[in-house]
Amino acid sequence: DAKTTQPNSMESNEEEPVHLPCNHSTISGTDYIHWYRQLPSQGPEYVIHGLTSNVNNRMASLAIAEDRKSSTLILHRATLRDAAVYYCILRVPDTGGFKTIFGAGTRLFVKA
Amino acid sequence: NAGVMQNPRHLVRRRGQEARLRCSPMKGHSHVYWYRQLPEEGLKFMVYLQKENIIDESGMPKERFSAEFPKEGPSILRIQQVVRGDSAAYFCASRGQSRFTTNEKLFFGSGTQLSVL
Repeated sequence: DAKTTQPNSMESNEEEPVHLPCNHSTISGTDYIHWYRQLPSQGPEYVIHGLTSNVNNRMASLAIAEDRKSSTLILHRATLRDAAVYYCILRVPDTGGFKTIFGAGTRLFVKA
Repeated sequence: NAGVMQNPRHLVRRRGQEARLRCSPMKGHSHVYWYRQLPEEGLKFMVYLQKENIIDESGMPKERFSAEFPKEGPSILRIQQVVRGDSAAYFCASRGQSRFTTNEKLFFGSGTQLSVL
């Protein structure tokens, strides 16, 4: 399975931007980069995804390196409610369709 | 439009009993995934089902675990003769119709917390 590498944890101050990095050096041309986050005691929720171009939505921005071997999730102004585990995932096709494999993720701590 | 519904939210079983976890996907979704999460760990893929078919069960333990997604009704994850090591949070996710698409997002339920005494 295609692998991603993320720092175990990061810390941010409230109201400041947060840049969450992800390395995916084995990515292939058709693999989409997805980000999900998991708040305490909840199921994961979709954050954003992209293929080659940078993407923005109401939750975050996704910056993708030109060679696509890394990406960065950007939270423009962290709030206490953004404290969660953030998962960077490569969605890859296989013979049965596709499956989403989660890594360990990055635990984001937000300080007031 | 209701999200992915899982029940029960919490399930307590004694060793040797059976656990049945239910997942109702979002309306119109025909693809269901089950994941297991041990405390302080990430989600581990278990099984991927489409209506009446198991597509990928590479993450399922070989014994005691089974999953189904019948034509009518919710998807069921069944664990027979539970042991303490089965204690975990079990999450279900669903997505829409396309079989070969890598840009479609998953919608997750709130999970079932299984505790084996």
